[in-house]
Amino acid sequence: DSGVTQTPKHLITATGQRVTLRCSPRSGDLSVYWYQQSLDQGLQFLIQYYNGEERAKGNILERFSAQQFPDLHSELNLSSLELGDSALYFCASSKISGTSGRSGRTGELFFGEGSRLTVL
Amino acid sequence: EDQVTQSPEALRLQEGESSSLNCSYTVSGLRGLFWYRQDPGKGPEFLFTLYSAGEEKEKERLKATLTKKESFLHITAPKPEDSATYLCAVQPFYGGSQGNLIFGKGTKLSVKP
Repeated sequence: DSGVTQTPKHLITATGQRVTLRCSPRSGDLSVYWYQQSLDQGLQFLIQYYNGEERAKGNILERFSAQQFPDLHSELNLSSLELGDSALYFCASSKISGTSGRSGRTGELFFGEGSRLTVL
Repeated sequence: EDQVTQSPEALRLQEGESSSLNCSYTVSGLRGLFWYRQDPGKGPEFLFTLYSAGEEKEKERLKATLTKKESFLHITAPKPEDSATYLCAVQPFYGGSQGNLIFGKGTKLSVKP
């Protein structure tokens, strides 16, 4: 058990709809990361928050948005869903910001078990 | 463009048959290279961090090594419980990911008893 909690585990919805995925990081971790995993693309970095502020953006579509709340949990909002959005969405957490120097385990992320989204 | 390529895509071994997984990378300045293990239906689990060419890390039957262009994950006398997908990731100093991890597509390892 990584200590990172994601809900829901499974979600089935229709094209054009909007869903919200939730993540609770490990106790004490300030950084939350969202990744998308599909069969053909592998794990793709979407976005990172650190202590409530957006820190980095990856391949995140404009239809997707995220936020991190004062209690450090995070939500990923996916709107105007398309068939191609079907994937596993992982949340990960770490203590550090991810953009610091080589000190510490900058790449040691703790992943949740993911939310499987199916868009029909 | 920063890129990570893993080979083979899938590997079947008999229990006790040692082998190696490859991770080739192209990155604009390497902050670190990471190996993760992913079991079906689970999130990736951190295994190793390597920072510079020549560095090696070991954990039980696994040993990770790093050169300037690639990393190897050596599996010695594997057991069925080593069956999983092994993911390699790089963390660049620069680039679009802003220092976040770029993952390869993984090698799916199956170890038969």
